[in-house]
Amino acid sequence: EAGVAQSPRYKIIEKRQSVAFWCNPISGHATLYWYQQILGQGPKLLIQFQNNGVVDDSQLPKDRFSAERLKGVDSTLKIQPAKLEDSAVYLCASSPGQGRNYGYTFGSGTRLTVV
Amino acid sequence: RKEVEQDPGPFNVPEGATVAFNCTYSNSASQSFFWYRQDCRKEPKLLMSVYSSGNEDGRFTAQLNRASQYISLLIRDSKLSDSATYLCALDTGRRALTFGSGTRLQVQP
Repeated sequence: EAGVAQSPRYKIIEKRQSVAFWCNPISGHATLYWYQQILGQGPKLLIQFQNNGVVDDSQLPKDRFSAERLKGVDSTLKIQPAKLEDSAVYLCASSPGQGRNYGYTFGSGTRLTVV
Repeated sequence: RKEVEQDPGPFNVPEGATVAFNCTYSNSASQSFFWYRQDCRKEPKLLMSVYSSGNEDGRFTAQLNRASQYISLLIRDSKLSDSATYLCALDTGRRALTFGSGTRLQVQP
């Protein structure tokens, strides 16, 4: 079974620039998550999709972050404009059902450095 | 009180030792609990689910104590390859899992 695919692996941008990350979940997984992991901390949920609908985006900084999952498969996460504090690893995860009862499979993440 | 708390460590133990980590949580209604392992600069990987009755997978044992609101992970006969950060994850009323900050384990020869 192919895992969760993410790209790019690394990205370095200057503050105030924009950046986009892409995620392709495990085939058949209805639920997709974007987490932000700052160095030394645990992953923090940004947004959860069920198919192509948003289930929870309460922790997404909507003034600068946006995400979409148009066809219920791939997803993109965008930051515009980036701030220094956005430097983190952005992890995409998927699960076959609603997250509370299933363990997640994570992609290898995108490491973002904002300078 | 934080929703999920873990001792960051590091726990430095010799090979062959038994080590245990706890993870405390604040929402008494939490239902789903997991332990993840994260190697340096890698993604978290599911280690095991934690059931009310406790569960064991080889050298790893996970337990849930609802009365005191914590889960635990016990590792017996530690190997060098067990060196990693161990993250607990649970539902805290949201529909997605909330992760702790992790406990770092370093197994020494």
